[in-house]
Amino acid sequence: AQSVAQPEDQVNVAEGNPLTVKCTYSVSGNPYLFWYVQYPNRGLQFLLKYITGDNLVKGSYGFEAEFNKSQTSFHLKKPSALVSDSALYFCAVRDGAGFQKLVFGTGTRLLVSP
Amino acid sequence: NAGVTQTPKFRVLKTGQSMTLLCAQDMNHEYMYWYRQDPGMGLRLIHYSVGEGTTAKGEVPDGYNVSRLKKQNFLLGLESAAPSQTSVYFCASSPTGNGYTFGSGTRLTVV
Repeated sequence: AQSVAQPEDQVNVAEGNPLTVKCTYSVSGNPYLFWYVQYPNRGLQFLLKYITGDNLVKGSYGFEAEFNKSQTSFHLKKPSALVSDSALYFCAVRDGAGFQKLVFGTGTRLLVSP
Repeated sequence: NAGVTQTPKFRVLKTGQSMTLLCAQDMNHEYMYWYRQDPGMGLRLIHYSVGEGTTAKGEVPDGYNVSRLKKQNFLLGLESAAPSQTSVYFCASSPTGNGYTFGSGTRLTVV
């Protein structure tokens, strides 16, 4: 069965500094990987995904993520954080050979201070 | 574009009461899902559907039932609500099972 781990409950970063939100995964087949963001009292919004191809994936709002097969990781990154990036971030995985449902991590709260 | 619409947005139930949460999507998506979100536990899949007339159990199906009589609607039912079902419920839909579109959620409190 597939699983996702987000080892940090919260990440704190100052505005203008680079940010990283960590995610590791486990699947039996080829992974399909996703990042979603949730703002207060809202549903989840899609940021980016990796299915195949280039290991560096670019997404919405200047975010990017790097797929690392050997480390089974898919960390979310942004070169320069904004206060408005403060939100709850979820990593999700789907087994490419498995059924069409995503398994989500527990979420990481990103707090960007001015 | 409405996307995925969930009703109601808020609800308070007494233990033992029943209710139905409605999810409607206007994107002609085949797949639909119900998740619950609890602090520290992320999103957990309750039930899902891969097409009209089909449903399947997810990770935490106990105490819930679902129906997908029409392609655009996915209903989640609680027959006898329990305090453990206090949560935020999210519906999602997808054309292929890869990219999900989420609704804005239903906050349910069972007292």
